[in-house]
Amino acid sequence: DAGITQSPRHKVTETGTPVTLRCHQTENHRYMYWYRQDPGHGLRLIHYSYGVKDTDKGEVSDGYSVSRSKTEDFLLTLESATSSQTSVYFCAISAERGGQETQYFGPGTRLLVL
Amino acid sequence: AQTVTQSQPEMSVQEAETVTLSCTYDTSESNYYLFWYKQPPSRQMILVIRQEAYKQQNATENRFSVNFQKAAKSFSLKISDSQLGDTAMYFCAFMKPRGAQKLVFGQGTRLTINP
Repeated sequence: DAGITQSPRHKVTETGTPVTLRCHQTENHRYMYWYRQDPGHGLRLIHYSYGVKDTDKGEVSDGYSVSRSKTEDFLLTLESATSSQTSVYFCAISAERGGQETQYFGPGTRLLVL
Repeated sequence: AQTVTQSQPEMSVQEAETVTLSCTYDTSESNYYLFWYKQPPSRQMILVIRQEAYKQQNATENRFSVNFQKAAKSFSLKISDSQLGDTAMYFCAFMKPRGAQKLVFGQGTRLTINP
C-alpha cells in the first residue's frame, strides 16, 4: 500500500528496445527503491533514490538507469532490453509507521523481453 | 556484505496446523532490522512482521510470531492455526537501520496450506 502505483503493470518488448517503468507515490517519502524478482533469488536491489536527483546503485544495476526529477516519481530505464532482464520489477518506499521504519511495495510490473 | 538464507524452498501443512519457516543471516552489524514478507499469488509484497535486533523480546502479530536468536543469526517465523489464506511465498529480509535502508532478501519459501 502506502499509495504506490507502478506503470505499466505488464509489458512485452523486444531485445534491444528501450523500456521505462514508472513508480509513483502520493505520500512524499524521501527514499524510493527498484527491485527485481527472479526465481531462486528473492528480490534484489537495482537502484535507489534518497531525494530528487539523488540516486545510487544497488546490487544488480548493470543495464539499468534511473531518474527522479520529482519526489513522487522514480523511473527505471532499460536502455537496451535483453532477455536476462525478463523479470518482475517492484518499486518500494521507506515509511515510518508507528515509530518503525519499514519498506512498502508497489504492485509490481511483469516485463517479458523477447 | 549481508546475506540471508532460507533453506526450505517449499513447505506444506494441513489447515489449522502450526508451521515454522527458517531464516539465517550473516552480518557484522550489531544493530539491524529483520522482516518477514508474504507474497500471495497476487504478487503483492505484504509485510508480516518486523524485529529490531536490539530488542530481546520476540515480535508477534496475531497468529504470526518469530524466534529471534541473535547469537545464532537465526530468525524463524511461526504461523499458528494456519489458514488457507496463508498460502504464499514468504521472504525473510535484512535491513541496516542507517542511511538508505536497503533490504537484502532470502530466496523465499513457498508455503502451501492444504484443506
